[in-house]
Amino acid sequence: SYVLTQPPSVSVAPGQTARFTCAGNGIGSKSVQWYQQKPGQAPVLVIFHENDRPSGIPERFSGSTSGNTATLTISRVEAGDEADYYCQVWDSRGDNFWVFGGGTKLTVL
Amino acid sequence: EVVLVESGGGAVQPGRSLRLSCSVSGFTFGDYALSWFRQAPGKGLEWVGFIRSKVYGGTTEYAASVKGRVTISRDDSESIAYLEMNSLKSEDTAVYYCGRVVGNDYVVDYWGQGALVTISS
Repeated sequence: SYVLTQPPSVSVAPGQTARFTCAGNGIGSKSVQWYQQKPGQAPVLVIFHENDRPSGIPERFSGSTSGNTATLTISRVEAGDEADYYCQVWDSRGDNFWVFGGGTKLTVL
Repeated sequence: EVVLVESGGGAVQPGRSLRLSCSVSGFTFGDYALSWFRQAPGKGLEWVGFIRSKVYGGTTEYAASVKGRVTISRDDSESIAYLEMNSLKSEDTAVYYCGRVVGNDYVVDYWGQGALVTISS
């Protein structure tokens, strides 16, 4: 089955840039989504189709893909961005259609 | 405003069954697929299963980890989807989320707030 690998944690100071990586074989050929999940809350879609933002998501959030790695970038990080971030792809050929990475916890110093 | 609300969670003994509901509003439920996910305490997100819209046959797909124990159904007239789970195990303890599915690559754009299911004797 398809596997997505994310680092467990990222720490940045307010105002700096946070980058979250998501590694997967051939991920560049897949549609990548990113979800933000704050403690005790449901996930929120922040990036879809690799680099599209739903309405209401700030321009500070962007996505990209290079090789076998997708990246979520948050510019000018704010304290309110502290959350877990999950990458996800749709894999109709495997056992699990929705494949998630293990998540990366963002700590704002 | 798109809203999804799960209900029916609670404490259940191992081996018993449970049915969760996902009530939606703010959109025409029948036009969309709906998916269920879960998150065990302190763990990441896991897909459970989904149901297509009637236009696409209303068919279902399930994760390998729950296949055979889970049934997803929908009532478009009531704008409700259901997740029935049987032969519950301790490892089924999780917060269960429903989500609206959009597009050909099945993006989940809105999620419910979740329902906690605890399997314990």
